[in-house]
Amino acid sequence: EDKVVQSPLSLVVHEGDTVTLNCSYEVTNFRSLLWYKQEKKAPTFLFMLTSSGIEKKSGRLSSILDKKELFSILNITATQTGDSAVYLCAVLMYSGGGADGLTFGKGTHLIIQP
Amino acid sequence: NAGVTQTPKFQVLKTGQSMTLQCAQDMNHNSMYWYRQDPGMGLRLIYYSASEGTTDKGEVPNGYNVSRLNKREFSLRLESAAPSQTSVYFCASSEYIRSGGAGDTQYFGPGTRLTVL
Repeated sequence: EDKVVQSPLSLVVHEGDTVTLNCSYEVTNFRSLLWYKQEKKAPTFLFMLTSSGIEKKSGRLSSILDKKELFSILNITATQTGDSAVYLCAVLMYSGGGADGLTFGKGTHLIIQP
Repeated sequence: NAGVTQTPKFQVLKTGQSMTLQCAQDMNHNSMYWYRQDPGMGLRLIYYSASEGTTDKGEVPNGYNVSRLNKREFSLRLESAAPSQTSVYFCASSEYIRSGGAGDTQYFGPGTRLTVL
């Protein structure tokens, strides 16, 4: 059975801290891994990773994929209260029929305290 | 561009009632998806449409039907609602190119919060 596991499930840190969120996966026919941020509404796209070892970066957020060990991490440096959200990891697999849906982890609920 | 839009935003049904959730996208995407999100379960795929004219079941299709009306619109129908279908429903779309790349990114609508009593 294909699965995506995120850890920790919840995390409380203070503003200014650096956090690392983890995502491991066991899927057949891996195609890409995506990170989303969800703040009580629709998930918003952060990163898509397809190749090992290539860091994607956007401001204080960065992410990297390890296809040999089957995991990805999302780093957030100098956290701010606006980073409080649920961070979702999802994997897309190759499908013989074409497009397929994402398989999501349960998310990491991140709370940044002032 | 509005992106992905969904109607209604909220709905309360009684057990056994039917309803249709509407979704439209203006990004000229090929593929569209319906997910449900439940506490502690994450997002799960209900149905998807790889292209206009095709639909396929996802992980949790029982109790639902879909229609890909045209390239822009993808609707989800509950024929006889049950309390277990109480959830938040998200529609998403992607360009999806077989060779991969940025087209894999799925963009989500604002969601419909459905309560079945």
